Amino acid sequence: EAQVTQNPRYLITVTGKKLTVTCSQNMNHEYMSWYRQDPGLGLRQIYYSMNVEVTDKGDVPEGYKVSRKEKRNFPLILESPSPNQTSLYFCASSTLRDRGKNYGYTFGSGTRLTVV
Amino acid sequence: KQEVTQIPAALSVPEGENLVLNCSFTDSAIYNLQWFRQDPGKGLTSLLLIQSSQREQTSGRLNASLDKSSGRSTLYIAASQPGDSATYLCAVRPDNYGQNFVFGPGTRLSVLP
Repeated sequence: EAQVTQNPRYLITVTGKKLTVTCSQNMNHEYMSWYRQDPGLGLRQIYYSMNVEVTDKGDVPEGYKVSRKEKRNFPLILESPSPNQTSLYFCASSTLRDRGKNYGYTFGSGTRLTVV
Repeated sequence: KQEVTQIPAALSVPEGENLVLNCSFTDSAIYNLQWFRQDPGKGLTSLLLIQSSQREQTSGRLNASLDKSSGRSTLYIAASQPGDSATYLCAVRPDNYGQNFVFGPGTRLSVLP
């Protein structure tokens, strides 16, 4: 089944303790992206990647890191989490075949992160 | 800069009604437009994808239309059911290669039994 898999689904952590949220897709998609979703603020893009070893900042990159060493994986790293990073996080992917004209996004199921 | 708006922000209807959700975008230079459904605290499920050359797409009780020149899309839900209660988001893919999808804020739909 074609899908984007995020882990973990739920995570509670303490301020300052480094964590990684994994994202993997099995569709050979070039494009991957991370979003956070907060009440009243909608979806905000954190980072995206057009292909292996190519990453770029989205609208709210502060406090986050990403890497794209393999095409299928795009982990989100919080080096020193803070309470304002408590949020619902989504990973998404898309092909860039034919410049992506005829293709949309596939989303993961989300990761609910709480930083205390 | 592309901006996407959705009207109304929230909608409550009795079961069985036909309803229309609206999505507007400011720049008509898009590759496609996608409608998603999101249940509370859950992921986004793709409902329909309309390519820029298409006028509409249908899936079951859902019909999405696209008028690219006027920057509008509508999602029509026929014979609504309580199970349709969710937030509906639209997203456009700009035709400037490398540009990211732009999402609307969503319409929260409640279908009352």
